[in-house]
Amino acid sequence: SQTIHQWPATLVQPVGSPLSLECTVEGTSNPNLYWYRQAAGRGLQLLFYSVGIGQISSEVPQNLSASRPQDRQFILSSKKLLLSDSGFYLCAWSIGFYNEQFFGPGTRLTVL
Amino acid sequence: AQKVTQAQTEISVVEKEDVTLDCVYETRDTTYYLFWYKQPPSGELVFLIRRNSFDEQNEISGRYSWNFQKSTSSFNFTITASQVVDSAVYFCALSEAGGQNFVFGPGTRLSVLP
Repeated sequence: SQTIHQWPATLVQPVGSPLSLECTVEGTSNPNLYWYRQAAGRGLQLLFYSVGIGQISSEVPQNLSASRPQDRQFILSSKKLLLSDSGFYLCAWSIGFYNEQFFGPGTRLTVL
Repeated sequence: AQKVTQAQTEISVVEKEDVTLDCVYETRDTTYYLFWYKQPPSGELVFLIRRNSFDEQNEISGRYSWNFQKSTSSFNFTITASQVVDSAVYFCALSEAGGQNFVFGPGTRLSVLP
């Protein structure tokens, strides 16, 4: 069966510090991978998606970037965090764009 | 462009009441897919159902049921005899067959009180 992992679960970082969040998927090959952000009490904002290794599409211009160095690994990064980067970050995978997405447990990021 | 509207921001019911969560969508495609997700307080989104645009049959799964009506572009979700464990934020979502987009609605926060 398929499993999706995200770490860390929680993170507190100072403004201006770098960020690296990792997501890995097990039990499937060549999935679509997604990064979402959810501000407190708000809906889901799609940040990036990837259809294959090295292929990244950005939905929202910002100081975040994403990389997919391996088929089942998706990394979200920032060189310098802003206060507005605080939120709940969710990774998800799917087979194709029209099938259901399965979500990881999320990372709660607080930027101080 | 795709759009999903969940007009109910928050709903509170007392345990054992039935509750319906509304979802209205917009799309120009004839082939599309609709989804419902549950986000409990733990934060992880849980997939509930996927429906394609050619299947308008209503679906029932235990206390959950879904009413898909293309004529009104709605995909409503009903919980029968609600329980405290149903308290969560519920998201409706839409994906077009030819697109590369999976659009979520803003969510409805359901509180089931004991």
